[in-house]
Amino acid sequence: QKEVEQDPGPLSVPEGAIVSLNCTYSNSAFQYFMWYRQYSRKGPELLMYTYSSGNKEDGRFTAQVDKSSKYISLFIRDSQPSDSATYLCAMSANTGGFKTIFGAGTRLFVKA
Amino acid sequence: DVKVTQSSRYLVKRTGEKVFLECVQDMDHENMFWYRQDPGLGLRLIYFSYDVKMKEKGDIPEGYSVSREKKERFSLILESASTNQTSMYLCASSLSGQGPSGANVLTFGAGSRLTVL
Repeated sequence: QKEVEQDPGPLSVPEGAIVSLNCTYSNSAFQYFMWYRQYSRKGPELLMYTYSSGNKEDGRFTAQVDKSSKYISLFIRDSQPSDSATYLCAMSANTGGFKTIFGAGTRLFVKA
Repeated sequence: DVKVTQSSRYLVKRTGEKVFLECVQDMDHENMFWYRQDPGLGLRLIYFSYDVKMKEKGDIPEGYSVSREKKERFSLILESASTNQTSMYLCASSLSGQGPSGANVLTFGAGSRLTVL
């Protein structure tokens, strides 16, 4: 079993839709949860950062962490064609902070 | 603006060749990383370095070595390239410490796509 599971998609939605992207994980030691966005032929860039459980909102993006269920989500409101990218969840534990584990990434297409 | 530069975007090499992938960061970051990215497998850590001349194996170090002679530069070396090393290679860097500016937040380069024939 992988430490982090993420549905690779692709996920195709119409412009303006609410998008929900999710990851599950098995290591209860994870405390830092990140979402990275990767455009085609580019490297990933940090989109959201959350420590421990709870919600974090930044503009149209909301990250949720449920440590009891080992489940994290990224919501995109009013999705735009420019949101079309691959979204990677990532997480790490408090110890050995150099080891960030990534999900496989979900490919998102937002159609105009 | 924080920047990680990978010198080669696209490379084509032959089986058995020695391959060097270079990465330079200009943010004075302590930590540097090499990942490979393959469809369905996500990013897998090959090696990382938390200081000059220091290196640690990641999850898939076999067939690779690294060099960090200067703080800003981290090189990945494939001693004898094989076809199963065809992949996208991503270099990243981070500061030390915890929190949103620390070791858990990676800044990536644009990637080097390597094809081994």
